[in-house]
Amino acid sequence: DVKVTQSSRYLVKRTGEKVFLECVQDMDHENMFWYRQDPGLGLRLIYFSYDVKMKEKGDIPEGYSVSREKKERFSLILESASTNQTSMYLCASSSRRAGGQTDTQYFGPGTRLTVL
Amino acid sequence: AQKITQTQPGMFVQEKEAVTLDCTYDTSDPSYGLFWYKQPSSGEMIFLIYQGSYDQQNATEGRYSLNFQKARKSANLVISASQLGDSAMYFCAMRLTGANSKLTFGKGITLSVRP
Repeated sequence: DVKVTQSSRYLVKRTGEKVFLECVQDMDHENMFWYRQDPGLGLRLIYFSYDVKMKEKGDIPEGYSVSREKKERFSLILESASTNQTSMYLCASSSRRAGGQTDTQYFGPGTRLTVL
Repeated sequence: AQKITQTQPGMFVQEKEAVTLDCTYDTSDPSYGLFWYKQPSSGEMIFLIYQGSYDQQNATEGRYSLNFQKARKSANLVISASQLGDSAMYFCAMRLTGANSKLTFGKGITLSVRP
């Protein structure tokens, strides 16, 4: 079974703090993704990576950065947390193999981040 | 750009009955994949079913089936014999083939199963 884990289920931080959200997958997937989910807005892609040390901006990258030093780990960084970054953060991974549903994205359990 | 539309308000279904969750999509690309995910209150997104744009038959996975109507650009999820554990949020998503697996999600539909 695919397993994607995230470092925390719940996190409370203060405005201005630097925040690290960690994601680890054990399926040797090339692609990894960070989303945020807000009521009424659905899931929005923040950043993704299709290889080690590679990263690409998603739809809402402002205020975030990422790091992928190892294939299995993808970190989301909030350099200076703000209250509007209070949200549910979901990590996902997928295989790069093309064809059919082989590149289905599998998600972690999510991190509910509150910035006070 | 591709777009997914899920416009149903909260849906209710009686236990053991079937329910259809609507999804329409928009893309000019002929090659794409459609996905449905379930998100229970715990928050995890669970993959349910996949349909490829060139697949000849509608996808089925256990109690889940996808009513794929390509000309109408719709990909409705049908859940048969609803169970209380089916109460959750359901998301339709689309991926263009070869687009580094980037998914575009709809805003989701809340399903409540009544005993």
